[in-house]
Amino acid sequence: KAGVTQTPRYLIKTRGQQVTLSCSPISGHRSVSWYQQTPGQGLQFLFEYFSETQRNKGNFPGRFSGRQFSNSRSEMNVSTLELGDSALYLCASSLGLAASYNEQFFGPGTRLTVL
Amino acid sequence: EDQVTQSPEALRLQEGESSSLNCSYTVSGLRGLFWYRQDPGKGPEFLFTLYSAGEEKEKERLKATLTKKESFLHITAPKPEDSATYLCAVQANTGGFKTIFGAGTRLFVKA
Repeated sequence: KAGVTQTPRYLIKTRGQQVTLSCSPISGHRSVSWYQQTPGQGLQFLFEYFSETQRNKGNFPGRFSGRQFSNSRSEMNVSTLELGDSALYLCASSLGLAASYNEQFFGPGTRLTVL
Repeated sequence: EDQVTQSPEALRLQEGESSSLNCSYTVSGLRGLFWYRQDPGKGPEFLFTLYSAGEEKEKERLKATLTKKESFLHITAPKPEDSATYLCAVQANTGGFKTIFGAGTRLFVKA
């Protein structure tokens, strides 16, 4: 069974630009969560999508947005990039809502560098 | 404020030297506590879920336990391949469900 895949794996952008990251969950998984990981803040929850609807949201500004498609694939968008957005962005999938005690399986992440 | 604290930040062990990693938490509405292993350049790998105080789970050389305020990850006779960062996460129901991760413990096991 294929794991969670994320594309691209590495990305370099400049301040003010926008970026879109993609995540394909494990087949059959309907929930996709996004996390930001930085050395200073650790892993922080961005949002969770289930059945194409955002179900939970972390404390991030509106520049961070996402969506989920009918095949459960998800995209995350960051607009007006700032230097502090440089991080590893991780996607995790689960069978159902993560809040329902479902185990989450993480992808390898997308390393975003903002110059 | 909901918080998850892991200690120590880093731990250096000799192969075969057993030890424990700590994860203490202060959250309301705890729904579950998770342990993950993360290797450099990779996403976290799920290890255990614990739901209630007194619960224990084992996998190979790892054993996770849970009390009302903290969780321990016991590593018995570790091997160099156990070297990784171990992350603890708590799922809480406080004004909406959220998952809070600790900063992790970096484990180094020397042969």
